[in-house]
Amino acid sequence: KAGVTQTPRYLIKTRGQQVTLSCSPISGHRSVSWYQQTPGQGLQFLFEYFSETQRNKGNFPGRFSGRQFSNSRSEMNVSTLELGDSALYLCASSSGRGRTNEKLFFGSGTQLSVL
Amino acid sequence: GESVGLHLPTLSVQEGDNSIINCAYSNSASDYFIWYKQESGKGPQFIIDIRSNMDKRQGQRVTVLLNKTVKHLSLQIAATQPGDSAVYFCAEIEGDDKIIFGKGTRLHILP
Repeated sequence: KAGVTQTPRYLIKTRGQQVTLSCSPISGHRSVSWYQQTPGQGLQFLFEYFSETQRNKGNFPGRFSGRQFSNSRSEMNVSTLELGDSALYLCASSSGRGRTNEKLFFGSGTQLSVL
Repeated sequence: GESVGLHLPTLSVQEGDNSIINCAYSNSASDYFIWYKQESGKGPQFIIDIRSNMDKRQGQRVTVLLNKTVKHLSLQIAATQPGDSAVYFCAEIEGDDKIIFGKGTRLHILP
């Protein structure tokens, strides 16, 4: 069974641009959640999607958005990039049964650098 | 994933010894706790979990201890191996699904 797949692996953007990251969950998993990881703030929850609906949301500005497709694949978008958005963005999938953040399976992440 | 753990505390342990990694959690209302392992260039990997109605849980070579009185969680790794080198961090979940991750500890295995 394939794991969680994130693309691209690395990304370099400049301030003001926007970026879209992609995540394919484990087959059969209906929940996809996104996290931001930085040396200063550690790992922080962004949002979670289940059956194409945002079910839970962390404390990030509206520039961070996401969506989920009918095949459970998810995309995350960051608009008007700022230098502080440089981070490792991780996607995790779970069956969706139970609470949002239990039994998570993480991808390897997308390393975003904003110049 | 090279941005992970640049300023983390480091625990150095001799290969074959036991490792104990500690975590202080923040919310007395948290009722579910998880330990994750993150190797360089990879995403976090689930190791073991424990619910607040337990104070100890054992897995393969790992044991998690929960002390709710002082809001403390520990991960014990028996007979530490080179493959255990990674960043370890705890996570707590509150009833409304809010998850808070600890900052992490880097485990370094000495030959």
